[in-house]
Amino acid sequence: QSALTQPPSASGSPGQSVTISCTGTSSDVGGYNSVSWYQQHPGKAPKLMIFEVNKRPSGVPDRFSGSKSGNTASLTVSGLQAEDEADYYCSSYAGSNSLVFGGGTKLTVL
Amino acid sequence: QVQLQESGPGLVKPSETLSLTCTVSGYSISTGYYWGWIRQPPGKGLEWIGYIYRSGSSYYNPSLKSRVTISVDTSRNQFSLKLSSVTAADTAVYYCARDTGTYFDIFDYWGQGTLVTVSS
Repeated sequence: QSALTQPPSASGSPGQSVTISCTGTSSDVGGYNSVSWYQQHPGKAPKLMIFEVNKRPSGVPDRFSGSKSGNTASLTVSGLQAEDEADYYCSSYAGSNSLVFGGGTKLTVL
Repeated sequence: QVQLQESGPGLVKPSETLSLTCTVSGYSISTGYYWGWIRQPPGKGLEWIGYIYRSGSSYYNPSLKSRVTISVDTSRNQFSLKLSSVTAADTAVYYCARDTGTYFDIFDYWGQGTLVTVSS
């Protein structure tokens, strides 16, 4: 059970769009529609932003969207705002009642 | 509003057992869902530790399975984590969270986290 692969960093200017990838295998990301994304600001607990690949919990802006193709899931943040600067983590069900997280991506709003 | 709060010692000696409790308010564990523990070493990413259901059924990260025990006390609306034979590598912020996913994949409520340092 290896961690999902995310780019260490991503950046964009206010108003732009940025996409963060999360690559796994057919045993996790590719095998289930069970990918979630979490936002974490420094010193805070993670916050659920996307679940089941592309669903948003109540209260999460529609600027956040998720998708999946094969073994890679993606989180897109449109209309970047300063408050979107945070670390983002993906997670996926990995079979056999287990879960795996990605290594995290630090999103910088330039 | 669902709230979770971790509690336990902030300092544990190497080779000893780390013990944490998560107290849940605003929702009864007896109602359902899975309840999980996740940790985050300083400056690093998240790592899933394990889950437990109200019945006591539990599942653990294979890399930690030999050292982890998660238990539940529905009468106190609490669940607990024990991690044995700790080393400095177990130093981390430990979070408890509620999991509402069919595939154990949706942590919708989290505790604030508690830092546990392993040091003599």
